[in-house]
Amino acid sequence: DTGVSQDPRHKITKRGQNVTFRCDPISEHNRLYWYRQTLGQGPEFLTYFQNEAQLEKSRLLSDRFSAERPKGSFSTLEIQRTEQGDSAMYLCASSASGGTNTEAFFGQGTRLTVV
Amino acid sequence: RKEVEQDPGPFNVPEGATVAFNCTYSNSASQSFFWYRQDCRKEPKLLMSVYSSGNEDGRFTAQLNRASQYISLLIRDSKLSDSATYLCVVRIASGGSYIPTFGRGTSLIVHP
Repeated sequence: DTGVSQDPRHKITKRGQNVTFRCDPISEHNRLYWYRQTLGQGPEFLTYFQNEAQLEKSRLLSDRFSAERPKGSFSTLEIQRTEQGDSAMYLCASSASGGTNTEAFFGQGTRLTVV
Repeated sequence: RKEVEQDPGPFNVPEGATVAFNCTYSNSASQSFFWYRQDCRKEPKLLMSVYSSGNEDGRFTAQLNRASQYISLLIRDSKLSDSATYLCVVRIASGGSYIPTFGRGTSLIVHP
């Protein structure tokens, strides 16, 4: 499967615990995005990488959230001291370089439930 | 005001109907426009890009009006399988990057 892969698909955690999600983009894509989606809403942008550089972070991204893409390939998103409001679907997308009209391909997401 | 706005619907239409969705965006410097489709509990997938001159793909027609800052999607001869959420996406300038920014989606239900 050469699409965007996310792991795990589901995560249930207790409030206050830390969680880490992984995203493997399509191999030749140098752009990588993280989004969060709650029921009835569209995906909300969290952060963007071009290769290993984190170029943009949303104001939504509190200090408890951190993302890395150490070698410009896979990326991780960590949430520290989870809160119930963090419960959502976390989506990763990747796209190729070559202008602004390139399609972003999404992974199937990681559904986080904080109890 | 949200950067990309859509009527959430739902739009409830019979098979064979024609239905149109609009989406407005607030940043006049936006580049690149898309419609994505999202099925229940699935990831969004590209339906079509939207070009300045308008474009058509089978039963689907997309239009862009830069002066009024809106995008439209027209679906002709609706099928049951068209039932989904349709997400408007605009690449909006943020720093030196153009970030795909989503509307909240418009829900379409096509019934027999």
